[in-house]
Amino acid sequence: DAKTTQPTSMDCAEGRAANLPCNHSTISGNEYVYWYRQIHSQGPQYIIHGLKNNETNEMASLIITEDRKSSTLILPHATLRDTAVYYCIVSSGGSNYKLTFGKGTLLTVNP
Amino acid sequence: DSGVTQTPKHLITATGQRVTLRCSPRSGDLSVYWYQQSLDQGLQFLIQYYNGEERAKGNILERFSAQQFPDLHSELNLSSLELGDSALYFCASSGGTNPGRETQYFGPGTRLLVL
Repeated sequence: DAKTTQPTSMDCAEGRAANLPCNHSTISGNEYVYWYRQIHSQGPQYIIHGLKNNETNEMASLIITEDRKSSTLILPHATLRDTAVYYCIVSSGGSNYKLTFGKGTLLTVNP
Repeated sequence: DSGVTQTPKHLITATGQRVTLRCSPRSGDLSVYWYQQSLDQGLQFLIQYYNGEERAKGNILERFSAQQFPDLHSELNLSSLELGDSALYFCASSGGTNPGRETQYFGPGTRLLVL
């Protein structure tokens, strides 16, 4: 699976949009981009995933560049409860599947 | 609430001992995954089972083993425990038809402390 690069930490003001970048320059054509988050030692929580088109759900939006080498997770109106570590993961599946979590980005939402 | 349950929530034991962690997947999910999260290693994939059979293996030590039972619950057995095995152990489940392209739903974890 392709490796990802994320900033170690980011801050965001409550009510503002949080834009979390992820670089996955070695992604291959059949690999999906997944975003999960983990709130202080709780189990990771699925947020969103995509292949090449932008995606939106009730939690967030995912913007994937045309060359698929990077993506941005957007939380449109961050709240204090969105403070968490956000993981960007690329995964292709198959018989040798494993989900590889990196260090992630610690997003701190400030009042 | 993800629908995945794990027991126990906390476990304290001594070096050299053996423990069993239990996971019940979401209703209808066939795949179960085990992860270990320690302070210095982050979240590491250990092993995956699909409908009772081992499907994928990650960085799982030989002292660790797992199985998935006919009712689809899974157990992770950790033996000859060492101090370094102290960690959070998470179980996740997914539908199972296309591993790696499915949403995984994580349980609340079991916190293991080896003294």
